[in-house]
Amino acid sequence: DVKVTQSSRYLVKRTGEKVFLECVQDMDHENMFWYRQDPGLGLRLIYFSYDVKMKEKGDIPEGYSVSREKKERFSLILESASTNQTSMYLCASSSILTIQGIQRYGYTFGSGTRLTVV
Amino acid sequence: AQKVTQAQTEISVVEKEDVTLDCVYETRDTTYYLFWYKQPPSGELVFLIRRNSFDEQNEISGRYSWNFQKSTSSFNFTITASQVVDSAVYFCALSEWNYGGATNKLIFGTGTLLAVQP
Repeated sequence: DVKVTQSSRYLVKRTGEKVFLECVQDMDHENMFWYRQDPGLGLRLIYFSYDVKMKEKGDIPEGYSVSREKKERFSLILESASTNQTSMYLCASSSILTIQGIQRYGYTFGSGTRLTVV
Repeated sequence: AQKVTQAQTEISVVEKEDVTLDCVYETRDTTYYLFWYKQPPSGELVFLIRRNSFDEQNEISGRYSWNFQKSTSSFNFTITASQVVDSAVYFCALSEWNYGGATNKLIFGTGTLLAVQP
């Protein structure tokens, strides 16, 4: 099974700190994603990457940046953490598989990092 | 623009009751994928089903069944004889199909919290 590992389950940081959230996948997937989950808002896409060193903004990129230096690792960076970035952060990866001649793709999510900014 | 609506914010049922979670989607694409995910209190997103836009067959998996109707842009999820372990947040999601394989980002609904009382 594909595994997506997020380095921290819980994180508490101070306002103004630079915060790194790390995500590693072990199945050579091309695409990786960072989502933010807030009550009543569902999951919203922050950034995604479809190849090493490639990145694209999602729906709510403000206040965040990303880094993908290696295929298996996708980092989310909060340049200067603020209290409104307190949230659950979920990483995911996806790839296309050809199963019985049909192209399919699937997503795998990490367990999430609950970040609190104080 | 793509959008997923889960109008039911919270549902509470008593064990052994049947329950249906509604999902309505909007997309201009003719080729797309629909997903359901379960998020138990532990926080990890658990994949339940993926359905592509060309396959309108209903699916049953144990106590779970899904009803996909393109005419009403709905992809509803029914749990038969609910159990306490079904208590979770359930997300419906939509993704366009990109033949180039890039992106394929998921658009999520806001989720439905299902509470199954013993």
